[in-house]
Amino acid sequence: GNSVTQMEGPVTLSEEAFLTINCTYTATGYPSLFWYVQYPGEGLQLLLKATKADDKGSNKGFEATYRKETTSFHLEKGSVQVSDSAVYFCALSDGSYDKVIFGPGTSLSVIP
Amino acid sequence: DSGVTQTPKHLITATGQRVTLRCSPRSGDLSVYWYQQSLDQGLQFLIQYYNGEERAKGNILERFSAQQFPDLHSELNLSSLELGDSALYFCASSVEGRSYGYTFGSGTRLTVV
Repeated sequence: GNSVTQMEGPVTLSEEAFLTINCTYTATGYPSLFWYVQYPGEGLQLLLKATKADDKGSNKGFEATYRKETTSFHLEKGSVQVSDSAVYFCALSDGSYDKVIFGPGTSLSVIP
Repeated sequence: DSGVTQTPKHLITATGQRVTLRCSPRSGDLSVYWYQQSLDQGLQFLIQYYNGEERAKGNILERFSAQQFPDLHSELNLSSLELGDSALYFCASSVEGRSYGYTFGSGTRLTVV
């Protein structure tokens, strides 16, 4: 079945460091891909998305490119801030009644 | 404010009891999804409703049930509660179509003592 795999956390970075969180997926067909972010004590928020191969989603300095050949959707940010500390979830929607399948989440802590 | 409203925000109850969690979807969204988030199992899909009808079921226990009403709000009923049911329960809503993603509510934190 369809699934999403993310790099294990927690990830701890210093402010202004470069961030990469790896995400790979298994799916039939052409899923849409998403990154969600969950700040402490809050619900998940859609961070960015890409709906077809080679699309790049971007928001708030974060970027991810839909790579069908490697079935990946890695999240990147050039310079992280303390306020980026959160849990990041990679997800896919395979079109089966628009159900979204989430990865296990990667916790990010950014220290000053 | 995401537009998805969940009540109550916190709930503390005893084992064996029954509780009802409520969700109002974002205006215009016909689909409602329920998820359970716990430390050991991550984000688990429970059930989906679309315009009042059950559409998909995930890892939902038989002690749990849900429904979506004509005004599109949804309720998740949890009965015969056990300590292991303590978790965050999220509701999400969406426009139909695989490219839209979900809008999540802020969740209900259930503590069973």
